Formats: sequence, structure tokens, C-alpha cells
Amino acid sequence: GIQVEQSPPDLILQEGANSTLRCNFSDSVNNLQWFHQNPWGQLINLFYIPSGTKQNGRLSATTVATERYSLLYISSSQTTDSGVYFCAASSGTYKYIFGTGTRLKVLA
Amino acid sequence: DSGVTQTPKHLITATGQRVTLRCSPRSGDLSVYWYQQSLDQGLQFLIQYYNGEERAKGNILERFSAQQFPDLHSELNLSSLELGDSALYFCASSVGLAGVVNEQFFGPGTRLTVL
Repeated sequence: GIQVEQSPPDLILQEGANSTLRCNFSDSVNNLQWFHQNPWGQLINLFYIPSGTKQNGRLSATTVATERYSLLYISSSQTTDSGVYFCAASSGTYKYIFGTGTRLKVLA
Repeated sequence: DSGVTQTPKHLITATGQRVTLRCSPRSGDLSVYWYQQSLDQGLQFLIQYYNGEERAKGNILERFSAQQFPDLHSELNLSSLELGDSALYFCASSVGLAGVVNEQFFGPGTRLTVL
């Protein structure tokens, strides 16, 4: 089945800094999402992005399906951005394979 | 708020016991998915139902079972519980139809602690 890898595993930023999180997947995908898991454990949808580019405020994402990767950009980071960011993808079915996540800590 | 509800939020029980987790999908969504998040295994897909029928199975133990009812809510039954079953259990829902966007929306999760 499809494999999903995320990098970096951990990231520490000063408030106001920008960052790029990467998600590589081993096969073509028909669904791909980015999630933010906050300190309370909630999984919050950020983007549904099997291909192309989307932006939502300080966050944007790009998926290059032909090269099998997706990027999540966080600009002007805030302490509330802290948490774990997951990429999840599916290939041929709807069941998601999750990456192991990037743990982000933003310092005030 | 994703529109997906899960009850209970927390559950503490003993080894060998049986529990039922409940999920109500977003209005209009026909597919329900169950995922388990544990410290050692990460987030793993368990099972998917579409309009009352099982559609896909993942790493779900034989001690676990699920069903989706005619009103589309779903229940995940965990029996003969072991310490290692302690985890956060998420339910998600999507439209579930081919050819349309199938963004999955996750509920707040049920945190299960087995003592």
C-alpha cells in the first residue's frame, strides 16, 4: 500500500518565523489532506489538496502529484500554531494512510 | 466544529471489559471511518462503512467490531480490552461518492484508558 513520510519530525520556531513542512508519498493519490492536531488532541482540517495550490490566511499548501510530494507553508508563525501537523493520503480507496507527523513548537 | 460528533469523550475501564464508542457523521455524509491513534502505532485506519455496509478494513483486531445504522450513525465495539488498546479513537465522515471531493472531517475523538 501507499506509504507517507513527513519531514522534519520536529521543528522549533520563534514567533514570526516562516516554515515549510514536507509530505512525500510513494504512489499516486486521489485524496490528500493536511491536518493540525492541537494540544487537546483535536484533528483540524487545514487543506484538502490532492493536487494544485491553496491558501488560507497565513497557511498555504502545494501538492505536485506527478512528483509525489506536498508542502505546507506556515508564514508569520504564532504560538497557537504549535502542535502536530499530519499529512494523510489515499490511493485507490478512501481510507487514509497518515504520516508520522511534524511536531511544531512556536516560541513567544 | 467539524460537524462530526463522538461520545463519550473519555472512557476509563478495566482489562477484559467491553465498551462501545459512538459516532454521528456530518449531515449528508454517507461514509464513516474509524481511526486509532496510539503512542506506538500513530494514526491508523481501522474500518470504513458506506451507507450501512462495510467498505474497507484496515488494521482492526478481531476483538473489535463496528456497524453503521440506518440513520448513518456508527458504533465501534471493543471487547476483551487489553492495556494496549488505550488510545484516542477518531471517527471521520465524508460524502463517500466516487467522482466528488471526499474530504474527511474528524470528530473530537474518544480517549480510551484501559487500566
